[in-house]
Amino acid sequence: RKEVEQDPGPFNVPEGATVAFNCTYSNSASQSFFWYRQDCRKEPKLLMSVYSSGNEDGRFTAQLNRASQYISLLIRDSKLSDSATYLCVVNKDSTLGRLYFGRGTQLTVWP
Amino acid sequence: GAVVSQHPSRVICKSGTSVKIECRSLDFQATTMFWYRQFPKKSLMLMATSNEGSKATYEQGVEKDKFLINHASLTLSTLTVTSAHPEDSSFYICSASSASGWTDTQYFGPGTRLTVL
Repeated sequence: RKEVEQDPGPFNVPEGATVAFNCTYSNSASQSFFWYRQDCRKEPKLLMSVYSSGNEDGRFTAQLNRASQYISLLIRDSKLSDSATYLCVVNKDSTLGRLYFGRGTQLTVWP
Repeated sequence: GAVVSQHPSRVICKSGTSVKIECRSLDFQATTMFWYRQFPKKSLMLMATSNEGSKATYEQGVEKDKFLINHASLTLSTLTVTSAHPEDSSFYICSASSASGWTDTQYFGPGTRLTVL
């Protein structure tokens, strides 16, 4: 079983739509969770950390369910600039910084 | 946010040659640097973790004699792909962390695209 599993998509949505991505992880001892975005042929960029209580940053909302080992990202009012691949990331173990990356979910927002 | 640079951004080499990639943290001291590899349409895979002044810790399945990592200062880590072969062609990305305590914030370099002919 992969450490982090994501639906690769692609998701194709119109501007203004709401879209949700899901992710599951296998290591119940994981402590830190993140969503990154990666544009084509570029490095990943941190979008937001994910906290147990859930957190929101503008149009982006992240949720964590530790019991189900499930992470989600909700994007409201999609913009053309949101088109990218969204990577679900969890820390590998208690060793600082060793991260597992999901394969990513591709999003295309069309006008 | 913090800035991490990589050099070169792109390299094409012949099979059997060695290639050195530099990763620099420009505006902070990186206690830990990480090297990742990403094949097309695949996820980033951690290759190794390096701490300044000590030997790198390699992930399972990564050959330490093939991928030489040196982290000689708090702002520079290098990855040398020795005797590169076409299957080593990939996108190599470094990241740096100034972590002291429980934080996983990593700042990624722009990546180096290696093509081995």
